[in-house]
Amino acid sequence: DAGITQSPRHKVTETGTPVTLRCHQTENHRYMYWYRQDPGHGLRLIHYSYGVKDTDKGEVSDGYSVSRSKTEDFLLTLESATSSQTSVYFCAISDGRGPVTDTQYFGPGTRLTVL
Amino acid sequence: SQQGEEDPQALSIQEGENATMNCSYKTSINNLQWYRQNSGRGLVHLILIRSNEREKHSGRLRVTLDTSKKSSSLLITASRAADTASYFCATVPTGGGNKLTFGTGTQLKVEL
Repeated sequence: DAGITQSPRHKVTETGTPVTLRCHQTENHRYMYWYRQDPGHGLRLIHYSYGVKDTDKGEVSDGYSVSRSKTEDFLLTLESATSSQTSVYFCAISDGRGPVTDTQYFGPGTRLTVL
Repeated sequence: SQQGEEDPQALSIQEGENATMNCSYKTSINNLQWYRQNSGRGLVHLILIRSNEREKHSGRLRVTLDTSKKSSSLLITASRAADTASYFCATVPTGGGNKLTFGTGTQLKVEL
């Protein structure tokens, strides 16, 4: 978890409210990712960023948006939270050395419950 | 959709025994990686094997890759109680940039 923090670590919210999760890194890595982890599904990529203001969708992007205005921060927003978005959210970073050797480093996770 | 599927889903062994986990995937890959997740924590990278490699070692870990069968195995030798965790394989599909696709994981319990 060194070099990557996520906030908040736990959040309970109500259906229909907007929620923003923050990922902060001190490693100056180019790539940042948001995943969700659900039982029976492993980790699924929501969105990722390959540089400041450069983002792209992952496998399960519907209902989520992201922003990256600084190298160190990557924000995930649930525009109108639904119960199906109850999950554990992980941020990850990588230095983008290339698809053959790149590895990812994960934050501690945020447990989100939508009532 | 999941690229990787691990087998078994759960494994319980005694300390000192070896643990073997298997991973199958669907498409051609640049590399395959194994990660460990302790309960309530983030994932930690264990080892990466490139598509042109067949076997790799790191400490008590041994990973094999058979691209013809689209499968990999992770062997943990002389397991310890501290190895209790979930283990995930993840692939970087060819043409997928740096994006990882994870399997559903194997829960390993090592008992004293």
